[in-house]
This record gives sequence, structure tokens and C-alpha cells, in this order.
Amino acid sequence: ETGVTQTPRHLVMGMTNKKSLKCEQHLGHNAMYWYKQSAKKPLELMFVYNFKEQTENNSVPSRFSPECPNSSHLFLHLHTLQPEDSALYLCASSQAPSLKTDTQYFGPGTRLTVL
Amino acid sequence: RKEVEQDPGPFNVPEGATVAFNCTYSNSASQSFFWYRQDCRKEPKLLMSVYSSGNEDGRFTAQLNRASQYISLLIRDSKLSDSATYLCVVNNDYKLSFGAGTTVTVRA
Repeated sequence: ETGVTQTPRHLVMGMTNKKSLKCEQHLGHNAMYWYKQSAKKPLELMFVYNFKEQTENNSVPSRFSPECPNSSHLFLHLHTLQPEDSALYLCASSQAPSLKTDTQYFGPGTRLTVL
Repeated sequence: RKEVEQDPGPFNVPEGATVAFNCTYSNSASQSFFWYRQDCRKEPKLLMSVYSSGNEDGRFTAQLNRASQYISLLIRDSKLSDSATYLCVVNNDYKLSFGAGTTVTVRA
């Protein structure tokens, strides 16, 4: 399935590095999301973009910086991360968040390890 | 109280058995509900949507009880391939809240 793709799939970085995660959706959706999934914890919503506009920032530390140049692409820029930021970062997309029938489709995720 | 709570399990069942588990949610105004399936180290994939009292798709049945604020998932005739973590997801004000998941292991 290639509806939502993410690169890289695995990333190891030091606390002083700067890296970016990329997400691309091929479903013609209007909304894109970043989630964090830590071991044994529920998915945590980080950011929501609807028609390229950020509509949700769920109290995410500024060391995570999202960018959405168009409805098909979403980036998460990382800098000065901490070891506790190690997690699976999932991107999702959906057609219309305002509809109760809206369904989110997830990418395969980037497994991030911060040393 | 957590927005969405699930019994983490694991539920260990033999092939062919029926397994059922619940999910409770705290917001009585929640509008729609979903069950996602997540395999180990993979992304969540939509299993079923629940908008009214319930939904059935083959061996899977989801029931919604608004009065008691819970959703259930029942799997009949379990297959080895049903082994996964099942995530309960609730739509609150057009944002999704996820449970931590219920792990099901089907053994031969």
C-alpha cells in the first residue's frame, strides 16, 4: 500500500543533530497529521494541518517544527531532541476533519532513536 | 479519567475461538468511533467504523453502547492472522483520541 509514505523509516540521531521527517500522501486528502507513539502508550496527536493551515498544535515542544508546503506533503523538522523523544512518529491523512465520518489513513512511520 | 480506556490484555485464544473486549470513553458527546488494528512495529490500519449502534464485517462485530459509553469488538472464528493490537479510537470534536490498545494472540 502506498497511500501515505514516510521517509526515512528508521533514524538514529544525536541530541545536537538536526534532521527532518517527510510524509507524502497520494490519496487526494486535505488534512495531514503528525502523531507520536511511545512504547505501551496511546498515540499522541502532535500537529494537524487542514488545507495547508495548521489547525492544531497539541502543546508540542518547539524542538519539533512542522512544515506543510502543500496538501500532499508534510515535514517534521527536529533539532536538539532528547532521549525521551525516541518513539515511532506516524503521519496520517484524511479527507475532511470536520466530518464525523472522516477516516484517517496512516503511513508506515519513522522509528526515531535519540542518543 | 483517560479519554479512552482499554483492557491491555493480552487475550490468548485458540484458533476458532470467539474473543471480545471493550473500550470505554469519557466524553458523552463523542460522535463517531473506530477500531484500528496495529501489527507489531507497523502502522495502525482501519478495521471498522461505528457511527450508530453497531457494525458487522465478516467475522468482526462492533457494538456501541452510548448509555454506558463503551464500544465492544467481537471476533468470531479467530485466525492466526488476527493476532494484533486493536486500538479503540473516538472522535471528539473532530479530533481522534486513541486508546493504548488491546493485544490479542491467537494460537494454533
